[in-house]
Amino acid sequence: QLVLTQSPSASASLGASVKVTCTLSSGHSTYAIAWHQQLPEKGPRYLMKVNNDGSHTKGDGIPDRFSGSSSGAERYLTISSLQSEDEADYYCQTWGTGIQIFGTGTKVTVL
Amino acid sequence: EVQLVESGGVLVQPGGSLRLSCAASGFSFDNYWMSWVRQAPGKGLEGVATIKPDATEKYHLDSVKGRFTVSRDNAKNSLYLQINSLRAEDTAVYYCARVGYSNTYFDYWGQGTLVTVSS
Repeated sequence: QLVLTQSPSASASLGASVKVTCTLSSGHSTYAIAWHQQLPEKGPRYLMKVNNDGSHTKGDGIPDRFSGSSSGAERYLTISSLQSEDEADYYCQTWGTGIQIFGTGTKVTVL
Repeated sequence: EVQLVESGGVLVQPGGSLRLSCAASGFSFDNYWMSWVRQAPGKGLEGVATIKPDATEKYHLDSVKGRFTVSRDNAKNSLYLQINSLRAEDTAVYYCARVGYSNTYFDYWGQGTLVTVSS
């Protein structure tokens, strides 16, 4: 069964970097994923697609300090030079045949 | 500019029905898969239904099969979700989303419409 696992929370200081992890379930380690940002009380926003080889394709207007990478069954979202406006929930999402699948989300807190 | 605008969310009693609509603009609607995603209060995102550009393929979340039906009108650049036999657990913000390539990832989202199921 295709499942995405995320840690509930992550935090870092203003101006530092934070890395959010999304883990693909056994047997699905080659799948690509997408990252979405959801600011408080707002709808989601597409950030980027991350492929198995670590290459990534960003959405329109996404700042350079957002980047994606990959290692084995793990897919990462790294936010560099963390800003207060980056405090949000971050969801990974993937697909097979049928309904798209989401991870449980990671709340990023800026200290 | 891609725009997705949902409407139709209301307060409805358990067992009731409603239809959500999503008006799309700024892109060739009939070239894209489209989806509905919901978010219950304080919870995460959940894919509910997705539909192929020509509507020949449709997929629904197992827990809503038989109650929810996704459809589209390419002439009107519109996506719909018919919801019947509403339950309290269907209370959520419902988002319309464009699928970026084939049936893969979402690249644009609407602002959402709130459905509340309560007596």
